[in-house]
Amino acid sequence: NAGVMQNPRHLVRRRGQEARLRCSPMKGHSHVYWYRQLPEEGLKFMVYLQKENIIDESGMPKERFSAEFPKEGPSILRIQQVVRGDSAAYFCASSLGQGAHEQYFGPGTRLTVT
Amino acid sequence: AQSVAQPEDQVNVAEGNPLTVKCTYSVSGNPYLFWYVQYPNRGLQFLLKYITGDNLVKGSYGFEAEFNKSQTSFHLKKPSALVSDSALYFCAVRDNAGAGSYQLTFGKGTKLSVIP
Repeated sequence: NAGVMQNPRHLVRRRGQEARLRCSPMKGHSHVYWYRQLPEEGLKFMVYLQKENIIDESGMPKERFSAEFPKEGPSILRIQQVVRGDSAAYFCASSLGQGAHEQYFGPGTRLTVT
Repeated sequence: AQSVAQPEDQVNVAEGNPLTVKCTYSVSGNPYLFWYVQYPNRGLQFLLKYITGDNLVKGSYGFEAEFNKSQTSFHLKKPSALVSDSALYFCAVRDNAGAGSYQLTFGKGTKLSVIP
């Protein structure tokens, strides 16, 4: 049973370019979460999605960041016009449901903005 | 609002000795509590969780955690540390009700070093 898949594992972008991060949840999981980890810090919640719906995006920056989880295919975290401060590890997690269900994390995408 | 504190940035312990990694939390409702471990350049691996019931929770790789409601703590423990336990450990909380009930809030992490 494959775990949460993320690609690419490493992504280098110049300032002003777009970054697209992909996440395929565990089989049978329909709840997807995105987190960002800055150096020497814990993970910060960004957004929670179910299929075709954004449930909570309270942790997303208001501009340049967007997320989707289409009916078919992986969840996408999109960062437009990247800046150096966007450099971080971005983790995707999935779960069977809300509440008491634990979240299972992917290996992360490490974004470097040059 | 919910929050987690891990008061120790680093914990050093000799191999074979018991280890404790501390965590305290704050939520407005009742907590769901989780421990995760992160190895270098890897994602987080789930270790254990507390939802309700017995205050002592057993998890993967011989780890356990004790929920203490009066002290709002959820410390991670292991009776005998292994060198392979050396990693970064994160405590996380989720409120069981309200707007943040699906957000995991993480502590900043505690680096555990087990010395041979």
